[in-house]
Parts: sequence; C-alpha cells; structure tokens
Amino acid sequence: GQNIDQPTEMTATEGAIVQINCTYQTSGFNGLFWYQQHAGEAPTFLSYNVLDGLEEKGRFSSFLSRSKGYSYLLLKELQMKDSASYLCAVRDQAGNMLTFGGGTRLMVKP
Amino acid sequence: DTGVSQNPRHKITKRGQNVTFRCDPISEHNRLYWYRQTLGQGPEFLTYFQNEAQLEKSRLLSDRFSAERPKGSFSTLEIQRTEQGDSAMYLCASSPRGEQFFGPGTRLTVL
Repeated sequence: GQNIDQPTEMTATEGAIVQINCTYQTSGFNGLFWYQQHAGEAPTFLSYNVLDGLEEKGRFSSFLSRSKGYSYLLLKELQMKDSASYLCAVRDQAGNMLTFGGGTRLMVKP
Repeated sequence: DTGVSQNPRHKITKRGQNVTFRCDPISEHNRLYWYRQTLGQGPEFLTYFQNEAQLEKSRLLSDRFSAERPKGSFSTLEIQRTEQGDSAMYLCASSPRGEQFFGPGTRLTVL
C-alpha cells in the first residue's frame, strides 16, 4: 500500500518563498505528482518527478529523493492567488493509479 | 472546451435512491479514472479504465458502486441505494499515459 504525509496547513507572506514537504512509504513507485486545488475546483497538474533531483517550472519547483521517500514543492514570489491546497500524489508501479496525500492548505497573506 | 467534462455538477438525492454520474474524457485519452474526495482530504482512487476495459476495481467502496465505459469513450459511475456517507465530490480524470487531467467533479449530497 501507499502512505503519504504532508502538513495540513501552512501560512506564508506575499512575495516570499514557501516549501511544502511530502513523505511517502510505498510498496511500489512510478513517479510523484504535485497538484494545486482551489476551493471547490478540480485539481490541476503542477509537476512530475520520477528521477531524483529538482524540476523547475517558472515560480514552481519540485524535488524528489527516492531513497528517502521525500519530495518538496517550492513556490517562489508568492502571490495571493497561490492560496490553495497542494496535493502530493504517488503513482503505483503499474502506473494505473495515484494515491494522494491529504493536501496542504496554503494561505498567502499580504 | 476540450477538457474533461462531468455531469451533473451537483446532485442532491434522498437516502436509498440510485444516482448516476457521467464523465466525458479528453478525446484522445484512453485512460479514465474515478476518484472520490471528501472535505479537507485528497482524492481517493476508486477505479480505472483503459479504453473499455476496467482494469482496476478493487478500490470501489462497496458493491453499491459500479462503473462502466462501454465504448471506450465516456464513462458512468453509479451508486445504488445511496447513504449519507456517500456525500462527497466525485472526480473523473483522463490521461494519455502520464499526467492525469481532472474534470470539475460532481458534488453529491445525500439527504
């Protein structure tokens, strides 16, 4: 099975940098995804890591360490619109399903 | 709009009634997934289709839940004899292979 942990809530200031951590214990692994979800809306894809290291995409970066079962999402130059839940998800070995963590609700304050 | 669509967006029903939700995936995507999400939680995987074949259904929550994708295009999720605990957002996603694209969801309220 899969067990995925991430903090429930975080608060940060507009313009700052925030790091959202995710740890996982899995029986199989075929990639880690980060999704953003605004209240009442569908999750939208942010990033994907399957090999160790950092993937950068504009203001968003994601890091993976498979040996440590650890990932983080880094958000730079925070904007008010970044207030949302951020979901970490691990894909199973067969590539058939995602197991999501509970999500981290990020509140960006002026 | 070429994204994943779901209908209805909202459904209110009385306990014991049957409900059916529809998902239309992105047209070239052969993989289709159903998830359930309750407030404050991440989506929970229910089932998965590759074309018309249902390849994973062990995670369906009970035998009251069933899903079909008869022609490998749209899919339906049916819940029979609904219970108050079924109240949740039901999300559909489609994928060509990797990243999953989610629809807006159907919010079910069971009274």
